[in-house]
Amino acid sequence: ILNVEQGPQSLHVQEGDSTNFTCSFPSSNFYALHWYRWETAKSPEALFVMTLNGDEKKKGRISATLNTKEGYSYLYIKGSQPEDSATYLCAFDNYGQNFVFGPGTRLSVLP
Amino acid sequence: ETGVTQTPRHLVMGMTNKKSLKCEQHLGHNAMYWYKQSAKKPLELMFVYSLEERVENNSVPSRFSPECPNSSHLFLHLHTLQPEDSALYLCASSQDRSGDTQYFGPGTRLTVL
Repeated sequence: ILNVEQGPQSLHVQEGDSTNFTCSFPSSNFYALHWYRWETAKSPEALFVMTLNGDEKKKGRISATLNTKEGYSYLYIKGSQPEDSATYLCAFDNYGQNFVFGPGTRLSVLP
Repeated sequence: ETGVTQTPRHLVMGMTNKKSLKCEQHLGHNAMYWYKQSAKKPLELMFVYSLEERVENNSVPSRFSPECPNSSHLFLHLHTLQPEDSALYLCASSQDRSGDTQYFGPGTRLTVL
């Protein structure tokens, strides 16, 4: 059974703070690592697909890094805003087979 | 709007009822998925369809019966469910099965009484 972990489980930050959280996954049979942002009562929204060791991707104030050799990815949010409040999911793509999701990090940004 | 819609958004049913969840994707994708999210658990894959053929059944009880009549529509037929089946059921689609980004619908919140 593949295990994907995320930490922390939840996070409260003040508006304007920068924050980061982690996703750890098996280092074998790696195909891709996906990050999603999931607001309450909405659809999970794809943020990044990361495939190469050392990848760094950026979308506005959000960025992500990937280390496939040690099996982890970081998601960073710079200058958090209340609209960043959501659950952030990572999904390990097992050699193009199925996604295995982590439990998510729930972020609350306080105004 | 993600291009993946699900109906109904909320469903309450008794253990003896039969109901169906519907998913429709407007993205021209070839693969569709059903996921279940129970309270405080990660998303769990239930079924995968690729080109309308079921390619994965992740040890799901037979009281859940999927149907994919064409590449745009996916159903999950429910019968004689148990209260522990209460969960959020999410549908997703991707261009093809192998490694493409999956696009999700908003889910159906199911409560089994």
